[in-house]
Amino acid sequence: EAQVTQNPRYLITVTGKKLTVTCSQNMNHEYMSWYRQDPGLGLRQIYYSMNVEVTDKGDVPEGYKVSRKEKRNFPLILESPSPNQTSLYFCASNPGQGWDTEAFFGQGTRLTVV
Amino acid sequence: SQQGEEDPQALSIQEGENATMNCSYKTSINNLQWYRQNSGRGLVHLILIRSNEREKHSGRLRVTLDTSKKSSSLLITASRAADTASYFCATDAYGGTASKLTFGTGTRLQVTL
Repeated sequence: EAQVTQNPRYLITVTGKKLTVTCSQNMNHEYMSWYRQDPGLGLRQIYYSMNVEVTDKGDVPEGYKVSRKEKRNFPLILESPSPNQTSLYFCASNPGQGWDTEAFFGQGTRLTVV
Repeated sequence: SQQGEEDPQALSIQEGENATMNCSYKTSINNLQWYRQNSGRGLVHLILIRSNEREKHSGRLRVTLDTSKKSSSLLITASRAADTASYFCATDAYGGTASKLTFGTGTRLQVTL
C-alpha cells in the first residue's frame, strides 16, 4: 500500500531536549516536505526536499533541521524544542517535478513541548 | 504570509444541500489543489486544476478557477454527513529555484442530518 509513515504519532517532551520525527514513504517520490498546522494559521511549510541531499527552507524553518540521505526518508529534527513548536506536524511526498501532482500526507505527529 | 485564503471559515449545511467554498490567492500559480482533512488527521487530495483550465469535475466535486481574479471555488453537490471535514486549497507558486505547495487556512464544513 502506498503510504507516508510518520513516527511518533504523539509526543510530549520538555524544552531543550532534542527530538526527531521520522518520515518514510514507499512510493519512490522525489519531493518531500514538512508542514506544521496551527489553529487559525492553516498549514505552513517548514522545509522541503527535491531529492537526496537537496533541501530548502519553507516559510517557517527557524528551530528545525532536516536531512535527506535516502530517497524514502526525510526526518525532521528539533535540536532544542521550545513551547512555540507545540503543533501538529505533517510530512508529505509528491511524485512530480515540483508540486504539480497530488501530495500524499502522513497521519500527523502531535507534538507538545512543555 | 498565506498564499491561499478560504472563505467562509466555517460552513454549516444540511445533508442533501450543496456546499460552496472559495479560495483566493495572491501570486501567479501553476496549479491549484483542494484537500480534505478529517479532524486532526492527514490531508487527502481531492482535485487538481491547472492554470490553463477553468473547470474540473470529480464525482460530486466541481472546481472552478479564475486566474484573472486569482480565485477558485469548490462545490460539493448533494452533501452527506460524511463530507464533514475541513477543506483546504493549495497553490503551486514558484519560489526561488523550485516550486512549493502553499496552503490556505481552510474552511470547516459541517453537514448535519
